[in-house]
Amino acid sequence: RKEVEQDPGPFNVPEGATVAFNCTYSNSASQSFFWYRQDCRKEPKLLMSVYSSGNEDGRFTAQLNRASQYISLLIRDSKLSDSATYLCVVGGRKAAGNKLTFGGGTRVLVKP
Amino acid sequence: DTAVSQTPKYLVTQMGNDKSIKCEQNLGHDTMYWYKQDSKKFLKIMFSYNNKELIINETVPNRFSPKSPDKAHLNLHINSLELGDSAVYFCASSQWEAKNIQYFGAGTRLSVL
Repeated sequence: RKEVEQDPGPFNVPEGATVAFNCTYSNSASQSFFWYRQDCRKEPKLLMSVYSSGNEDGRFTAQLNRASQYISLLIRDSKLSDSATYLCVVGGRKAAGNKLTFGGGTRVLVKP
Repeated sequence: DTAVSQTPKYLVTQMGNDKSIKCEQNLGHDTMYWYKQDSKKFLKIMFSYNNKELIINETVPNRFSPKSPDKAHLNLHINSLELGDSAVYFCASSQWEAKNIQYFGAGTRLSVL
C-alpha cells in the first residue's frame, strides 16, 4: 500500500465549477500536511498547509481528518489557471528527518 | 532572485558516464534535499542534509553521492549512469525548526542514452 494515495484523475472541470478531491495516508504518526501544486514540467510549489480545523485560502479549502487519515482539497469557482497536478504531501516527525512523502498527484483540467 | 537554483537544467549523457548536479539556496535555510521524479511522476526523497549533516538516506544506489560543502549548497554526484537514472531531479530546502515547508528548485532533467 502506498504511503500517500491519490486519485490520479484527470478531473475535467468546467470553468467556474467546484471540484474536490481527497488523498489518504497510511502513517498515523504523520505530523504535517500540505497541498502542493505542480504545473507541467515545473517544480512543485506550496499551495497551502492543512490543519485539523480546516482552512481556507481564497477559493481553496483544505480539510484534514486524522481519524480517517484523509486530506481533502476543494477548489471553488475554478479558473483556467487552476489546471495543474495537485500533490498531497504528508510530513513525518523531526526525529525521522522531517521527511515529506508525496502522493502521485491528482490532475485537474479546467476547461472553458 | 532565484531562491533555490539548480544547474544544469538539462543533462543528456551516455550510459556509464559520471555527472554532477549542483544546488544552491539563498533562503538562509539549514536543511536541503534531493528528490527524484520518474516518468510515472512520483516524487521520492533521496537524501537530506541538515547543517551539512546527512539526515535522510533513502534506499538509493551508492552510485549516488551527495555532498554539502556548506548549508547553502547540496550537490549530487552520480557515477556510472544507467538508463534507469533518467528522471527529473529536484533540489529543495527548508528551515528545520519551522513547519517543514520545502521550497523546490526548477529541476534538472537527466536523460541517459
